[in-house]
Amino acid sequence: AQSVTQLDSQVPVFEEAPVELRCNYSSSVSVYLFWYVQYPNQGLQLLLKYLSGSTLVESINGFEAEFNKSQTSFHLRKPSVHISDTAEYFCAVSYILTGGGNKLTFGTGTQLKVEL
Amino acid sequence: NAGVTQTPKFRVLKTGQSMTLLCAQDMNHEYMYWYRQDPGMGLRLIHYSVGEGTTAKGEVPDGYNVSRLKKQNFLLGLESAAPSQTSVYFCASSTGQSSGNTIYFGEGSWLTVV
Repeated sequence: AQSVTQLDSQVPVFEEAPVELRCNYSSSVSVYLFWYVQYPNQGLQLLLKYLSGSTLVESINGFEAEFNKSQTSFHLRKPSVHISDTAEYFCAVSYILTGGGNKLTFGTGTQLKVEL
Repeated sequence: NAGVTQTPKFRVLKTGQSMTLLCAQDMNHEYMYWYRQDPGMGLRLIHYSVGEGTTAKGEVPDGYNVSRLKKQNFLLGLESAAPSQTSVYFCASSTGQSSGNTIYFGEGSWLTVV
């Protein structure tokens, strides 16, 4: 069975400081890993995903995540955050459902709060 | 660019009442899902559908029913609402059978059962 652990429920950080949101997963099969972002009162939006190939994946707004198979981690990083990055971030692992489609197993989320 | 649309966005129900949440997607996706989001628990899959006319149970299906009469619509029903069903509900859709396919989410429906 797949599971995802996000150890930090809240991460406060000052604007322009670097940030790392931690994600660890467990899975008995090959995984595909995702980071979703949820802004207040909105749905989840895909931030980035790892399927295969290069272990470092980047988003269009400066976030990056590195897949580390030996440590079963997929931490999300940004070298300099902005106020607009304040949101909840969810790490997820995907696997195929019986009969088709894919299911996301989510972590419990990390609330990133960027302060001036 | 409608994507995944959910209605209603907000609803307050009394215990025992019934209601239906509507989800529509305009991306011609084969697969659709209903998740619920609760504080400190992430999102959990309620039911899903792999195509028109099909439905299947997810992690937390009790107390809910679903129907997929048309490919673009996926309905979530609560026959007799309970306070434990107070939650934010998200509909989602995806295409293809690969685990790497992106799942697209609606903006959520806030349901309170009093």
